[in-house]
Amino acid sequence: AQSVTQPDIHITVSEGASLELRCNYSYGATPYLFWYVQSPGQGLQLLLKYFSGDTLVQGIKGFEAEFKRSQSSFNLRKPSVHWSDAAEYFCAVARYSGGGADGLTFGKGTHLIIQP
Amino acid sequence: NAGVTQTPKFQVLKTGQSMTLQCAQDMNHEYMSWYRQDPGMGLRLIHYSVGAGITDQGEVPNGYNVSRSTTEDFPLRLLSAAPSQTSVYFCASGGGWDTEAFFGQGTRLTVV
Repeated sequence: AQSVTQPDIHITVSEGASLELRCNYSYGATPYLFWYVQSPGQGLQLLLKYFSGDTLVQGIKGFEAEFKRSQSSFNLRKPSVHWSDAAEYFCAVARYSGGGADGLTFGKGTHLIIQP
Repeated sequence: NAGVTQTPKFQVLKTGQSMTLQCAQDMNHEYMSWYRQDPGMGLRLIHYSVGAGITDQGEVPNGYNVSRSTTEDFPLRLLSAAPSQTSVYFCASGGGWDTEAFFGQGTRLTVV
């Protein structure tokens, strides 16, 4: 079965500093990987996704992520964070059964705190 | 341009009561799904549907029923609410295979 691990429950970063959120996945074949962001009291918004091809993917709001098959990782990065980036971040991998896609498996999330 | 609409936004139920969480999408997606979000647990898949008339169980289906009579609507039913079902519920549209999943704003359910 697929699984996603986000090792950091909380991360605190100063405004203007760089950010890296870690994500490790377990999946036998080539995974479809996603990063979502959730602001307080809101639904989830897709930041970026990886399906195939270039292992460095660009997303919205200045985020990028790099797929590393050898490390089973899909870490999210941003060169300079803004106070508005404070939120919960979820990494997810697509689930597949014999009949096709059947949803997403999410990590437990990383809560990002931005210090002024 | 509504996207995914969930109602209600908040609900308090007594143990044993039943209710239906509504979800509607206007993006003509075949694939829809329901998740629950609990503190420290991320989101877990309850049920999903790959089209009208076709539903299947996800990771945590017990205590929930779904049906899909139209492409637009995918309601989630709690047959006999239990305190363990206190959670935030999210409906998603799209997300089958390599497509993006669009999430509703969520329903915060408390069972007392």
